[in-house]
Amino acid sequence: TQLLEQSPQFLSIQEGENLTVYCNSSSVFSSLQWYRQEPGEGPVLLVTVVTGGEVKKLKRLTFQFGDARKDSSLHITAAQPGDTGLYLCAGVLATSGTYKYIFGTGTRLKVLA
Amino acid sequence: DAGVTQSPTHLIKTRGQHVTLRCSPISGHKSVSWYQQVLGQGPQFIFQYYEKEERGRGNFPDRFSARQFPNYSSELNVNALLLGDSALYLCASSLYGLAGVRAYNEQFFGPGTRLTVL
Repeated sequence: TQLLEQSPQFLSIQEGENLTVYCNSSSVFSSLQWYRQEPGEGPVLLVTVVTGGEVKKLKRLTFQFGDARKDSSLHITAAQPGDTGLYLCAGVLATSGTYKYIFGTGTRLKVLA
Repeated sequence: DAGVTQSPTHLIKTRGQHVTLRCSPISGHKSVSWYQQVLGQGPQFIFQYYEKEERGRGNFPDRFSARQFPNYSSELNVNALLLGDSALYLCASSLYGLAGVRAYNEQFFGPGTRLTVL
């Protein structure tokens, strides 16, 4: 059972287009992080969202945390080839006093020049 | 400031062997987590150590073990290697453990160790 589902799984778009990536769960998260990973490297933290309904902007990237803290979205405006990579959402899941850091299924984005 | 460092960068082993992977966290970070990433998938959580104690564990068999040293560096050990253990092993450091202040769940990753089991 995958606790953080991301959609779409793959996305190939032209430079200048806009896109949205979704991260959904049936569980409530105290915070969610978004990362970008390039081949052969570790994920790089983009942002943390903490408060339900929160919106954070990082240049052309806009992140939103759902009101119920069960989902999040990443919107990229005017995508550029440098945005190409694997986008991952992640958060801490606490069950019965144990803690796990869970990653989403990932969205692989390719931006064509 | 130096980021998270991992060694070795690449490793080739055969089935049944044992492997030890090493990680040094960002200076000032007291927590180290280990992840396994199989090609095409997101990272899977193996362990987290905070202040030298195990604070979180994923769904991995007992062949996987880890420890954290007084200087907060960490080792991941895998015994009786299987072909399916071939993966990128990532180490991440953070200020606090997973049960800490929620905003500090941010993980800072090293470049990983690519393990190939033949």
